[in-house]
Amino acid sequence: EEQLVDSGGGLVQPGGSLRLSCEVSGFNFNRYWMSWVRQAPGKGLECVANINQDGSEKDYADSVKGRVTISRDNGRPSLYLQMNNLRIEDTAVYFCARMVRSSVSFDIWGQGTTVTVSS
Amino acid sequence: QSALTQPASVSGSPGQSITISCTGTSSDVSGYNYVSWYQQHPGKAPQLIIFDVSNRPSGVSDRFSGYKSGNTASLTISGLRAEDEADYYCSSYTSTSTLAAVFGGGTKLTVL
Repeated sequence: EEQLVDSGGGLVQPGGSLRLSCEVSGFNFNRYWMSWVRQAPGKGLECVANINQDGSEKDYADSVKGRVTISRDNGRPSLYLQMNNLRIEDTAVYFCARMVRSSVSFDIWGQGTTVTVSS
Repeated sequence: QSALTQPASVSGSPGQSITISCTGTSSDVSGYNYVSWYQQHPGKAPQLIIFDVSNRPSGVSDRFSGYKSGNTASLTISGLRAEDEADYYCSSYTSTSTLAAVFGGGTKLTVL
């Protein structure tokens, strides 16, 4: 079964850091672009970062650029999101998702991990 | 980047059909045939139900259909069932962001 399992969320103070992880199983990870998509409480979906198959290309939303880094380990296989200088507005459920680049669609999703930024 | 525009809510009775619209611009919806739709039940992850405007992934019911006309894409659900009650999001390729994907604000479907 193709599966993504998110972890690493938690409660952090403004200015703090977190590292989210996404464990992958059931498919050939190194053939796919991967993404992190977040959903603030009661709000819609927002793609915040993408990474290509070998990690040589990374893209970020303006809302997180300079504060987050997406990375991957094709040997594990796992996807990561290092989040620094967190802001209250970063509070959200973060989902890792497999991107089908040819259709710009997200066909497999993790269950989500909750990040709460609060003092 | 700007989100695609969806109605906040729609409703229908069991057995009826409903349509959810998703309006964009020439930089996304009307410029490319890369519109996707997602179903999200409360507390769950989104699930892809339509890609490339009108294609269904394997295992998705044929009660779900998509189409596009100009700047507006639409998702139609026929033969409404109680389990269709959920939030629905559209997404499109966008040429205005290196992220490539932009989402709509979401539509809450209520089955009366």
